[in-house]
Amino acid sequence: DTGVSQDPRHKITKRGQNVTFRCDPISEHNRLYWYRQTLGQGPEFLTYFQNEAQLEKSRLLSDRFSAERPKGSFSTLEIQRTEQGDSAMYLCASSSGPSNTEAFFGQGTRLTVV
Amino acid sequence: ILNVEQSPQSLHVQEGDSTNFTCSFPSSNFYALHWYRWETAKSPKALFVMTLNGDEKKKGRISATLNTKEGYSYLYIKGSQPEDSATYLCAFIVNYGGSQGNLIFGKGTKLSVKP
Repeated sequence: DTGVSQDPRHKITKRGQNVTFRCDPISEHNRLYWYRQTLGQGPEFLTYFQNEAQLEKSRLLSDRFSAERPKGSFSTLEIQRTEQGDSAMYLCASSSGPSNTEAFFGQGTRLTVV
Repeated sequence: ILNVEQSPQSLHVQEGDSTNFTCSFPSSNFYALHWYRWETAKSPKALFVMTLNGDEKKKGRISATLNTKEGYSYLYIKGSQPEDSATYLCAFIVNYGGSQGNLIFGKGTKLSVKP
């Protein structure tokens, strides 16, 4: 499968625990995006990378969220001290650049904080 | 904060009906506009990538138009089929100094087509 893959697909965690999600983009794609989606809303931007550089991070994102893309390939999104409001679908997408190209999405990680 | 609005939020139509949705976006800092289709339990898939004012794109029964000066795009579905049932998202791509920036999504239009 050469699409974007995300792991895990589902995660249930207790409030206060840390969680980490992984995204493997399509190989050769230099851009990688993280989004969060809650019921009735469109995907909300969290952050994006071009190669290993994190170019933008949403101001809506608290300091509990951090993302890395250490070698410009896969990326991880960590949420520290999870809260119930963090329950959402976390989507990863990648695109090849340099411009005007569609984003290819993974199937998402569904996080439930109890 | 850049805002992308889609209307209507949801739409219920009968098989064979034609429908259209609207996406409104900022008329400044425009780089491109994308339309995505998101079926339940699947990942969003791109329908159209549009960049030029006046662009019209077509794929089968689905077509889209773009007006960057007034900041809107329309998506049309001719002769809706039950398999067209999905959420349709538009994404505004920000122009950051001539390069592609972030994708900002609207909330989507959820289409249900009854047989």
